[in-house]
Amino acid sequence: KQEVTQIPAALSVPEGENLVLNCSFTDSAIYNLQWFRQDPGKGLTSLLLIQSSQREQTSGRLNASLDKSSGRSTLYIAASQPGDSATYLCAVRYISTDSWGKLQFGAGTQVVVTP
Amino acid sequence: DTEVTQTPKHLVMGMTNKKSLKCEQHMGHRAMYWYKQKAKKPPELMFVYSYEKLSINESVPSRFSPECPNSSLLNLHLHALQPEDSALYLCASSQVGRERGKNIQYFGAGTRLSVL
Repeated sequence: KQEVTQIPAALSVPEGENLVLNCSFTDSAIYNLQWFRQDPGKGLTSLLLIQSSQREQTSGRLNASLDKSSGRSTLYIAASQPGDSATYLCAVRYISTDSWGKLQFGAGTQVVVTP
Repeated sequence: DTEVTQTPKHLVMGMTNKKSLKCEQHMGHRAMYWYKQKAKKPPELMFVYSYEKLSINESVPSRFSPECPNSSLLNLHLHALQPEDSALYLCASSQVGRERGKNIQYFGAGTRLSVL
C-alpha cells in the first residue's frame, strides 16, 4: 500500500526560528509532491509543487526539497512568524495509482509559532 | 485567478433533508474533485470528474450524488445523510494534460456540514 507519512505530528517553535517539516513516501514512482497549508476549519492553500524531475522549489521564505531515491521531501520555512501557525500537509501523486490526479495525503504537521 | 469558490460555507441538515453543495472555478480546469475531511484527519478523495465525466468514485455511498453540469461547475447532492457524514467537504480543480507532474490542485475553502 502506498502511504505518505509526516513526522512530527505537531511542532512548536519560537518566532524567528526556522521550521523543518518532513514528509516520507513509500514508492519513488511519483509524478509530483505538493505541499499545502490549512488553517483551522478552512480549505487547503497550495504552497509548492515539486515535479518528479526536480530537486527543490522555492517561494519566498519557503523551500521544499525532494529526494525520490530515499522517499523524502522536506519543507523549510525560514524566519518563522506567528502567522505561519497552521497545519501543513504534503500530498503525493503516485504513478501506479494515478487516475486523473489522485493525491495521497499525509496526516499533516500542526505548527505553532509562539511570539 | 486561482480561486475555487464553494457555497454554502456552512450547512446544517437533518437526516431526511435533501441539500446540495456547489463548487465553481473559472481557471479553465477540466478536472474537478470532491474530498471529505474529518477533524484532524487528511482529506479523503470521494469523486473525480474529468471533462465533465465521472472518472473516479471512491466507493462513496449513494446518498452522495455528484453532478458536473458544465466545465466550471461541480455539485454534490446530499440525501438521507447520517450524523457520521458531518465533515468539511472540499472541492478542488486542476488542469488535465500530458505533463501530469505540473498539475497543481487548487482547493476551495470548503463547506462545513453538520448532520443532525
